[in-house]
Amino acid sequence: EPEVTQTPSHQVTQMGQEVILRCVPISNHLYFYWYRQILGQKVEFLVSFYNNEISEKSEIFDDQFSVERPDGSNFTLKIRSTKLEDSAMYFCASSEQGYSPLHFGNGTRLTVT
Amino acid sequence: GIQVEQSPPDLILQEGANSTLRCNFSDSVNNLQWFHQNPWGQLINLFYIPSGTKQNGRLSATTVATERYSLLYISSSQTTDSGVYFCAAGLAGDYKLSFGAGTTVTVRA
Repeated sequence: EPEVTQTPSHQVTQMGQEVILRCVPISNHLYFYWYRQILGQKVEFLVSFYNNEISEKSEIFDDQFSVERPDGSNFTLKIRSTKLEDSAMYFCASSEQGYSPLHFGNGTRLTVT
Repeated sequence: GIQVEQSPPDLILQEGANSTLRCNFSDSVNNLQWFHQNPWGQLINLFYIPSGTKQNGRLSATTVATERYSLLYISSSQTTDSGVYFCAAGLAGDYKLSFGAGTTVTVRA
């Protein structure tokens, strides 16, 4: 069964550094998302991406964050100048259409020290 | 944005028992999904169910959109059903999902 793949599974970085989280969505899906989950808390929406542009973003997704689809398969989340409070599990997700089942990757656990 | 509330927050079951998890949402939705987060942190899609009833093995779900709630039924629970069950909802014209706080289910052998 096709799946969303994310790399790396764990990332440790120092405060102030930049990180890039990578995702390969399911190949025939058109809608891509990033969500995050701070340890023990609910899953929060960050950004949605369709037709090579951001379609919606949350208040969390400020100028520190950016997304890119550099080629036909990868979808990346860049966090500039990381802060301690950015420590969380970051999930990439994709769906075939806007209103269709959402499929998540296994996540990247980001730890900012 | 839409508010999603789940109950109960925690549920402890003996293997073989049945249970019902509830999700209430504050607005009319075009998108309602249930997910299971297993002990390894993976989020698995269980149901896409903006309305009606669906069944998948021992799990079934019902959404009554006009009354703004959805129910997830687990029958003959197994230890592998343990984890956190999330309900997530989205408004018309909005593809993002807002998640509830989840129900933590522990199934004991």
